[in-house]
Amino acid sequence: AQSVTQLGSHVSVSEGALVLLRCNYSSSVPPYLFWYVQYPNQGLQLLLKYTSAATLVKGINGFEAEFKKSETSFHLTKPSAHMSDAAEYFCAVGFTGGGNKLTFGTGTQLKVEL
Amino acid sequence: GAVVSQHPSWVICKSGTSVKIECRSLDFQATTMFWYRQFPKQSLMLMATSNEGSKATYEQGVEKDKFLINHASLTLSTLTVTSAHPEDSSFYICSARGLAGGPNEQFFGPGTRLTVL
Repeated sequence: AQSVTQLGSHVSVSEGALVLLRCNYSSSVPPYLFWYVQYPNQGLQLLLKYTSAATLVKGINGFEAEFKKSETSFHLTKPSAHMSDAAEYFCAVGFTGGGNKLTFGTGTQLKVEL
Repeated sequence: GAVVSQHPSWVICKSGTSVKIECRSLDFQATTMFWYRQFPKQSLMLMATSNEGSKATYEQGVEKDKFLINHASLTLSTLTVTSAHPEDSSFYICSARGLAGGPNEQFFGPGTRLTVL
């Protein structure tokens, strides 16, 4: 079975500081990995995705993530945090033959302080 | 592109009544739609998967007679919460994918907040 672990349910950074949100996955087959952002009372917006092409994936709003098979990780980073980045972030995993289902991590609440 | 809408965005109902939530793909044909439930400060839990013209496939522990899902067209799926009770209060989110989407890629609606009094 596939699973996703997001370390740190809450992360706080200063505006302008590096953002690092951690995601580790478990999958017996090559995974497809996604990062989504959710603002209060809204649906999920796709930030970026890994689908077995380049291991360094660039997404919207300056975010990027690197797929590291040896570490089973797909951490999300942004060089400089902005106040508007404050939101809930979810990592999700899917795989071929899984009925296109996604399994979500428990989420990380990012707080950006002045 | 790839816009998914939900209606209503919020609904309040009395215990024992039924509530219908619509999920529409606005600019693509959704061959598959998914329904999720999200409790406050928690992750998304998949309730069911529906393919156009077929019966929905429910996840383990989800009552199919309580949460009726219909996917009658390539742009519309509905979730009906029957005989709703306060414990059904939650944020319901749908997602959709079409033939053009990447592997496992889903596009999410804005969600529906259900409050059962």
